[in-house]
Amino acid sequence: DIQMTQSPSSLSASVGDRVTITCRASQSIVSYLHWYQQKPGKAPKLLIYAASSLQSGVPSRFSGSGSGTDFTLTISSLQPEDFATYYCQQTYNTPRTFGQGTKVEIK
Amino acid sequence: EVQLVESGGGLVQPGGSLRLSCAASGFTFSSYEMNWVRQAPGKGLEWISYISNSGDIIYYADSVKGRFTISRDNAKNSLYLQMNSLRAEDTAVYYCAVTGGYYYKDAFDIWGQGTMVTVSS
Repeated sequence: DIQMTQSPSSLSASVGDRVTITCRASQSIVSYLHWYQQKPGKAPKLLIYAASSLQSGVPSRFSGSGSGTDFTLTISSLQPEDFATYYCQQTYNTPRTFGQGTKVEIK
Repeated sequence: EVQLVESGGGLVQPGGSLRLSCAASGFTFSSYEMNWVRQAPGKGLEWISYISNSGDIIYYADSVKGRFTISRDNAKNSLYLQMNSLRAEDTAVYYCAVTGGYYYKDAFDIWGQGTMVTVSS
């Protein structure tokens, strides 16, 4: 199985901050890497697919980069509605593994 | 409106069974691959099963293999998860999710709201 490791597990940031979350795969997954946002009590929401493609309707302050084993999700200017947990996921092979999540909290 | 609605969750005793349903609307269900993903209380996301659009290809996570069965009825626009021999560690919110396909590199682009399964005596 491909292991997905996110860092950090949590972070505290202020509105307007630039936030970066990283995700590392245990083997190359090319660009089969996706990012999801989940708010408490809600279903996950797709933000970025194929490492760097912005899902329709997602604000442009979200961006993704990387290929192979190392990937990054960046929020250029954190907004109040961005406080949530973020997960990476690989779909290069089965099982479709997720990272453990990164909780973004208000500083 | 594109929508997935799960149902069938509830409280069940260890060793018991439950059948979850996921009703799809607003898109051509028969064209899309589907998944079940679960989330234990306070924990992360765990993919547990996949089914191809025609139902002929199926995968399971090791944690549920041999106990859970995924199926679909394209005529009813519905996805199912039959869960047998349930354990306390199966307690979770269960989500159905659509595989977005080649363009999305198989990202899960549509999710249901989830249904809670609690396994307890």
